[in-house]
Amino acid sequence: GQNIDQPTEMTATEGAIVQINCTYQTSGFNGLFWYQQHAGEAPTFLSYNVLDGLEEKGRFSSFLSRSKGYSYLLLKELQMKDSASYLCAVKRSGGYQKVTFGTGTKLQVIP
Amino acid sequence: DADVTQTPRNRITKTGKRIMLECSQTKGHDRMYWYRQDPGLGLRLIYYSFDVKDINKGEISDGYSVSRQAQAKFSLSLESAIPNQTALYFCATSDAGLSYNEQFFGPGTRLTVL
Repeated sequence: GQNIDQPTEMTATEGAIVQINCTYQTSGFNGLFWYQQHAGEAPTFLSYNVLDGLEEKGRFSSFLSRSKGYSYLLLKELQMKDSASYLCAVKRSGGYQKVTFGTGTKLQVIP
Repeated sequence: DADVTQTPRNRITKTGKRIMLECSQTKGHDRMYWYRQDPGLGLRLIYYSFDVKDINKGEISDGYSVSRQAQAKFSLSLESAIPNQTALYFCATSDAGLSYNEQFFGPGTRLTVL
């Protein structure tokens, strides 16, 4: 089976940096996704990590440690529009490459 | 125009009614998925289909059925709706040819069963 843990809620200040953690336990790990979901809207793809290390994409970066079953999403220069839920999702290896989502971290950015 | 569309966007129905939620995509993707999202439980997979002839149960398929009418269309049915099926339902697509095989989600259908 799979187990994915991420904090339920976080609050951060506009202009600051915030790190959202995700830990997972799974067999046959292939890679890890991060999605952003604004309230009442569809999730949208942010990043995918398959190898250890940091992937940077503008203000957002994602880190993966396969040996530790750990990932984080780093958001820099926070803006009010970054207030959203951030979903960690694990893809398994194998023919069907099933994806399992964590419950998400609701981030509130305050002035 | 949206690449993944869902109809209806909102639906209120009564216990015992049959409901169909429809999903269409213009992305040309081969894989399609149905999820439900509940507060505190995240996205949970109901059914998925990797091509027209391939239908697979997800983690919470009881009480639901699906039909893949064409590569672009994937419908979810609730044969006899019950109140605990009240949720936000998302359709998603992906393609094995994409580098990450990431999923693209439709706008969601908010279903309320009274």
